[in-house]
Amino acid sequence: DIVMTQSPDSLAVSLGERATINCKSSQSVLYSSNNKNYLAWYQQKPGQPPKLLIYWASTRESGVPDRFSASGSGTDFTLTISSLQAEDVAVYYCQQYYSSPFTFGPGTKVDI
Amino acid sequence: EVQLVESGGGLVKPGGSLRLSCAASGFTFSSNSMNWVRQAPGKGLEWVSSISSSSTYIYYADSVKGRFTISRDNAKNSLYLQMNSLRAEDTAVYYCARSPGGGFWSGYYFDYWGQGTLVTVSS
Repeated sequence: DIVMTQSPDSLAVSLGERATINCKSSQSVLYSSNNKNYLAWYQQKPGQPPKLLIYWASTRESGVPDRFSASGSGTDFTLTISSLQAEDVAVYYCQQYYSSPFTFGPGTKVDI
Repeated sequence: EVQLVESGGGLVKPGGSLRLSCAASGFTFSSNSMNWVRQAPGKGLEWVSSISSSSTYIYYADSVKGRFTISRDNAKNSLYLQMNSLRAEDTAVYYCARSPGGGFWSGYYFDYWGQGTLVTVSS
């Protein structure tokens, strides 16, 4: 099984400042046949289901503000919120879909 | 508008069974893989099971393998999760989630989620 880890567990960022979340997989999630990283990012606010932010490691889902960006390849990935807004307070999860079980990271809580 | 509505949750005793349903609308259900993801109270997300668009490929988390069965009825635009031999650690909100395509090449990530249904396993 691919184990996903995230760091930090939580972080507090001032409004307008940058937030960076790291995600690491225990083995590569880059599929050589199509050169795609099978990695997604989700945002979950209290009492709500998760919301897809990013897929294929760096493709922003339609409607997601461009202050959210993501990068990385292989085993190391990063989600960046360039200028934190109050509505970005949430828990953020990475997920690999390279192989079953399609595991999530433990989550990173972002606060103001 | 894509809508996923779960139902069937509730309180069940350890060892009991429950069948969750997910009614889908707003898209061509038969074209998409579907999934169940759960979240125990105050905990993170745990992927449970996935089924490809034509039910050819089915996957389970080790924690539910042999106890849970995922299925779908494309004629009824519905996804199901039959849960047997329930344990206290199965207590969670169960989300139905859509994947954008029909299988592995499209990716088993989750672009639409339902609001979830709570399953509580307790005596």
